Amino acid sequence: GIQVEQSPPDLILQEGANSTLRCNFSDSVNNLQWFHQNPWGQLINLFYIPSGTKQNGRLSATTVATERYSLLYISSSQTTDSGVYFCAVDRDDKIIFGKGTRLHILP
Amino acid sequence: DSGVTQTPKHLITATGQRVTLRCSPRSGDLSVYWYQQSLDQGLQFLIQYYNGEERAKGNILERFSAQQFPDLHSELNLSSLELGDSALYFCASSVSGPSSYNEQFFGPGTRLTVL
Repeated sequence: GIQVEQSPPDLILQEGANSTLRCNFSDSVNNLQWFHQNPWGQLINLFYIPSGTKQNGRLSATTVATERYSLLYISSSQTTDSGVYFCAVDRDDKIIFGKGTRLHILP
Repeated sequence: DSGVTQTPKHLITATGQRVTLRCSPRSGDLSVYWYQQSLDQGLQFLIQYYNGEERAKGNILERFSAQQFPDLHSELNLSSLELGDSALYFCASSVSGPSSYNEQFFGPGTRLTVL
């Protein structure tokens, strides 16, 4: 089946820093979504982005479907950005999550 | 607040027991998805229902079953519980039709502990 790999697995940054999180997938997918799981366990939608680029405040995402990857950019990090970031893809009616990138923003 | 509700928030039970988790989708959403998040397996897709019908099946055990009712709420039934079933169970909903994945919105989850 399709493999979804996220990198880096862990990231520790100082408040105010920028970061890029990557999601690689091993085959073509129908759709891709980015989520943030906060320290309380809640899963929050960030982007629904099967292709192209989207921006929402300090966050933006780009998916290059032909090259099978997506990037999530976080600028001017805040402590509230801490948590785990997941990408999820849809292929053959199966939804597959990556293992996530754990981000810790230090004050 | 995503608009998806799940009850109960926490559930503690014993091995061999049966439990039912409940999910109410966002108003207007026809699809409901169930996921299991455990420490060793990560987030795993279990099953999707669309307008009352099973649409897609993931890594759902035979001891688990789900259904979606005419009012579109869904229930996930877990039976013959084992220690390894302890996990966070999420429900998500989307507007999507039967043939595609659309943007999903997640509920707060039910934390199941099997002792």
